[in-house]
Amino acid sequence: QKEVEQDPGPLSVPEGAIVSLNCTYSNSAFQYFMWYRQYSRKGPELLMYTYSSGNKEDGRFTAQVDKSSKYISLFIRDSQPSDSATYRCAMTTDSWGKFQFGAGTQVVVTP
Amino acid sequence: GAVVSQHPSRVICKSGTSVKIECRSLDFQATTMFWYRQFPKKSLMLMATSNEGSKATYEQGVEKDKFLINHASLTLSTLTVTSAHPEDSSFYICSAPPGQGKDEQYFGPGTRLTVT
Repeated sequence: QKEVEQDPGPLSVPEGAIVSLNCTYSNSAFQYFMWYRQYSRKGPELLMYTYSSGNKEDGRFTAQVDKSSKYISLFIRDSQPSDSATYRCAMTTDSWGKFQFGAGTQVVVTP
Repeated sequence: GAVVSQHPSRVICKSGTSVKIECRSLDFQATTMFWYRQFPKKSLMLMATSNEGSKATYEQGVEKDKFLINHASLTLSTLTVTSAHPEDSSFYICSAPPGQGKDEQYFGPGTRLTVT
């Protein structure tokens, strides 16, 4: 079993819709959770960062962490075609530690 | 925010040759940097942890004699792919945490290596 599971998609949504992404994990020691956006042939770009359980909102992005269920989510409101990218969750047991990544979900927002 | 650069952005080399990829932290010092390899439609695979002033720590299954890592300064780590083969063709990405008290990790733009 992989430590981090993420549906690779592709996930296609119409412009303006809410994009819902999630990852599950098996290691209860994970404390730091991140979401990265990666455009084709580019490096990952940090979108959201959360520590432990809870919600965090930044503009159109909302990240949720439910440690009891070992489940994290990313929501993108009012999606735009420019949001089309691969979104990858990542997590680590400590802030300096190695990251475990999800496989990434390809998101396509159609005009 | 913190910026990490990589050079070159893409490189094509012939089989059997070696190629060096640089990872630089531009506005912060990084005692630790991480090197990842990304396969098409696959997750990033951590290859090794680069430590300034000491030997790199390699993940299981990664050949340390093939992927040489040197972290010579607080702002520069290099990955050298030695005796490259076509199966080494991949997207190599480095990352670095920006400093004590900061928990984010910033990634370089990646280097696409093609071995012919």
